[in-house]
Amino acid sequence: DTAVSQTPKYLVTQMGNDKSIKCEQNLGHDTMYWYKQDSKKFLKIMFSYNNKELIINETVPNRFSPKSPDKAHLNLHINSLELGDSAVYFCASSTSRSGGGAYNEQFFGPGTRLTVL
Amino acid sequence: AQSVSQHNHHVILSEAASLELGCNYSYGGTVNLFWYVQYPGQHLQLLLKYFSGDPLVKGIKGFEAEFIKSKFSFNLRKPSVQWSDTAEYFCAGSGSARQLTFGSGTQLTVLP
Repeated sequence: DTAVSQTPKYLVTQMGNDKSIKCEQNLGHDTMYWYKQDSKKFLKIMFSYNNKELIINETVPNRFSPKSPDKAHLNLHINSLELGDSAVYFCASSTSRSGGGAYNEQFFGPGTRLTVL
Repeated sequence: AQSVSQHNHHVILSEAASLELGCNYSYGGTVNLFWYVQYPGQHLQLLLKYFSGDPLVKGIKGFEAEFIKSKFSFNLRKPSVQWSDTAEYFCAGSGSARQLTFGSGTQLTVLP
């Protein structure tokens, strides 16, 4: 039933480690996103993929690398984790088709709380 | 540059009080506007959205918002809040690039 799912829900790791967060959507959407929510609840887009192609890449350290094996998945790999990477990461998806009530509406996953020690 | 701003960072109300949360946007051309809610420890859920047509938009849980183009505003309203409305509320906009830009959020605390 879950429309947008993320794993893991919680991730605690040491500085310098490499970790991945997975995202899957079963809504048939062709666009997926990663957002970072900091400790002040501010939400900022990191990446957007449309049909497995990168279309938005905000100013994010190149330690962050998204990978989209297919339209239903967008994983986020983070190398050499730093303290400042601690945040909640949200995956979202939407359709790029124009018209209809679902245009541009993004559906969010439950979030992954990453804590870097 | 596209931007969305929310000026109320924290709003505290008693139950049954009326609510209005401010949202202003800065976009050139077509804009789609949204209000999302994030209950404690949960993900974002869509409350309502505006694409075109009637500027008064009704959403879930008794919320509504009015798109006022002349004021670049899309304020969220509810006539009578409940304790269960305690949450973080985000206004967001997207233009032709389909990229969502979020406001900084407003924490609503409803006292029983």
